Amino acid sequence: QQPVQSPQAVILREGEDAVINCSSSKALYSVHWYRQKHGEAPVFLMILLKGGEQKGHDKISASFNEKKQQSSLYLTASQLSYSGTYFCGTAAYSGAGSYQLTFGKGTKLSVIP
Amino acid sequence: DSGVTQTPKHLITATGQRVTLRCSPRSGDLSVYWYQQSLDQGLQFLIQYYNGEERAKGNILERFSAQQFPDLHSELNLSSLELGDSALYFCASSPTSGRALETQYFGPGTRLLVL
Repeated sequence: QQPVQSPQAVILREGEDAVINCSSSKALYSVHWYRQKHGEAPVFLMILLKGGEQKGHDKISASFNEKKQQSSLYLTASQLSYSGTYFCGTAAYSGAGSYQLTFGKGTKLSVIP
Repeated sequence: DSGVTQTPKHLITATGQRVTLRCSPRSGDLSVYWYQQSLDQGLQFLIQYYNGEERAKGNILERFSAQQFPDLHSELNLSSLELGDSALYFCASSPTSGRALETQYFGPGTRLLVL
């Protein structure tokens, strides 16, 4: 099942903070975050595993609440370069030692001067 | 640059036609994944190949098929094309069969327009 991302879109001024949430109804093993600029390939940001918190990029961090099956991406002191669509991908076990990623519909983030 | 290559970058064709999209994974990666991204939609998983064999199937239409060759490059074949097949098609690769902490690296995509 596709994870649900919120908000669908957000507009920030440079220097403001934002939180993007990703929720799933399925038991999750990990959550993967990507950023995609318009017309380009999604670029990997970070992976979180069951309650772990990682900082994959400067001023971008994330958390994973296993009980709630929810992950949140935190963008601090946003920069113009943060603009893009953020996707979460949730990994669920698909058998034979493999996990399948299912992506949410994305959150469009626009940072303005 | 992720190291994943896709050709062609753009493809314009007519309804009813057949096209082939090609993907070369990063050096050493054994898995290739295909995704479809329509306008303002998320990434819809189509199919995964691991070391030449089909590993997982997503929302792939019967008109679509894929394969992975001994040199690990992959091709996605789309036939009897319809207007609704117009989309960005991405392939991604990962080192093994797809573990929970394994990153998928995306290629630049092929933009397909069906007229």
